[in-house]
This record gives sequence, structure tokens and C-alpha cells, in this order.
Amino acid sequence: AQSVAQPEDQVNVAEGNPLTVKCTYSVSGNPYLFWYVQYPNRGLQFLLKYITGDNLVKGSYGFEAEFNKSQTSFHLKKPSALVSDSALYFCAVGEINTDKLIFGTGTRLQVFP
Amino acid sequence: EPEVTQTPSHQVTQMGQEVILRCVPISNHLYFYWYRQILGQKVEFLVSFYNNEISEKSEIFDDQFSVERPDGSNFTLKIRSTKLEDSAMYFCASKTTGKVQPQHFGDGTRLSIL
Repeated sequence: AQSVAQPEDQVNVAEGNPLTVKCTYSVSGNPYLFWYVQYPNRGLQFLLKYITGDNLVKGSYGFEAEFNKSQTSFHLKKPSALVSDSALYFCAVGEINTDKLIFGTGTRLQVFP
Repeated sequence: EPEVTQTPSHQVTQMGQEVILRCVPISNHLYFYWYRQILGQKVEFLVSFYNNEISEKSEIFDDQFSVERPDGSNFTLKIRSTKLEDSAMYFCASKTTGKVQPQHFGDGTRLSIL
């Protein structure tokens, strides 16, 4: 069965510093991986996806994610954090034989000025 | 940029009552979904819908739940007899063709069962 783990409930980082939000996954076949962000009282907003190809995926708002097959990880990164990046971040996995997304528990990112 | 629209933003209902949550997916999208998020928990898949029929559903989506696309624009989730544990944020999502396309989510309907 598919599963996603986000080991950190919260990540704190100072503005201007690099940030990493961790995600590991478990699927039986080739994964489709996604990152979504949720601002207060809003829905999930798509950031980026990995399907195949280059292990480094670039997405919206300067975010990128690195796919690592051997470690089954898909960590979200940004070289320089902004206070406005503070939100809840969800990693999700899909598979070719199913259309549903399986979400992680979410990581709250807090960027301090 | 086109958006998925959900109404109402907040629905308060007495236990045992029927509730209908409404969604207008992005106009050229063909795949539709409902997810829910109980307060403080992760987002959970409920059902997917394509070509006017359910393509997949989770264990949560029991006989009390149904979905419908009554016209060319709306996509609804009905809970026939609500329970306290149905209280959650319900998200509608849609996507265009292809499994690799991302699902686009609405802002959700907060359902409170009293």
C-alpha cells in the first residue's frame, strides 16, 4: 500500500536561510510525487511534481524538490526562505494504477523575520 | 487563473440531516475528486469521478455518501444522514486528462455537525 511520511510536524527557519521540508514515500511501483501548500482557511495549492526524468524538480515561488529513489525521499527545498512562505506543506504520492493521492500528515513551516 | 469553487464555505447541520456540498470544477477538467480533512489530521481521499461514474472510492465513502454531476458544471457530494464524525473540511479537486497531471483543489467547505 502507498504511504507518505513527513517526519517533522514543524520546521522553523530564519528569513533568508535555506529551508528543507522532508518527505519519504512507499509505493509498489513507480511513484508520482507532489508537493502542495496550504495557507490558513484555503485549499491545497499545487507547488511541484515529479513524474520521471531529472531528479531535481523546480516549482512555484522558488521551491524545488529532489527525488532520491534509493532513499525513497522527495524533500522540498528553497535556497532563501521568506516570511510569506510560512504555511502548511503536504507531500503526496500517486501511482499509475490509481487516481487518488495519498497525503502525508503535513509540516508546518514557520519562517521568522 | 481558473479555480475550483466550493460552496458554502461553512455548513452547520444537525446530526441525522442530509447535507449537499457543491463544487464547480475548472471548466475543461474531466476528473473530479472529493477529499476530507478532519481538524488537525491529514487530507484523506474519499472518491474519484470520471465519465459520469465513480472510478475509485475509499473505505470512508460508505452508503451514506454519494456524488453527482447534475449538469455540465457542478459536482456535488451528498451525505445522507450526517454523523458527528463527519465534521471536517471537505475539499473538491479536479484535473485535466492524464495521470501525471496535478489535481487542483478548492478552498473547501467546513462541515460542522451538531
